[in-house]
Amino acid sequence: QVTLRESGPALVKPTQTLTLTCTFSGFSLNTSGLCVSWIRQPPGKALEWLARIDWDDDEYYSTSLKTRLTISKDTSKNQVVLTMTNVDPLDTATYYCARIRAVYYYDSGRYHGAFDIWGQGTTVTVS
Amino acid sequence: DIQMTQSPSTLSASVGDRVTVTCRASESVSRWLAWYQQKPGKAPKLLIYEASSLESGVPSRFSGSGSGTQFTLTISSLQPDDFATYSCQQYNSYSSATFGQGTKVEIK
Repeated sequence: QVTLRESGPALVKPTQTLTLTCTFSGFSLNTSGLCVSWIRQPPGKALEWLARIDWDDDEYYSTSLKTRLTISKDTSKNQVVLTMTNVDPLDTATYYCARIRAVYYYDSGRYHGAFDIWGQGTTVTVS
Repeated sequence: DIQMTQSPSTLSASVGDRVTVTCRASESVSRWLAWYQQKPGKAPKLLIYEASSLESGVPSRFSGSGSGTQFTLTISSLQPDDFATYSCQQYNSYSSATFGQGTKVEIK
């Protein structure tokens, strides 16, 4: 059974650095095609993709937040960590981690995959 | 970045109704479009991937269609458990992902 669980501080002060941890089980991030992303959702608003790390250590970031985000993985601990620097009250949101099971498609010549398994989310307030 | 626009933002319907939600991409995303269902206080749940493929365990009353820039999620006969918010997401761009703003399906 695949599960993901987010953890981190519930309250952070403006300008501080936020560190969130996604601990997963049921798969290995060393396996080809598997990726983990972070997604957030401010209260009453839409989902916003933040970052992704792939099985081959490639990293991808939201264009609007890339200067503030760092994603990393520890495959021995089955964890993915997201750090966000210089937080602001606008960063108040529920933060989710989610797995992507990407498949290589020859017609496009690329990997594609949706977020098939999500964690329960962790709520972070910046105040 | 690719923008995703859903319509309507809110939809009022009754049990048994056929419901359709539309998602439009600012540029072609081919068939790389997913639909998620989210209930209050819960994480999103994958319903449809690759525009029209039903995720394992999802009831067959859910279906998806479309390609390029126009996509549709249809619930053939709305059930009480289906009142929720539905979001589309493109994954054509390998280096990013974008969600629509969500469509809330509420009880009429």
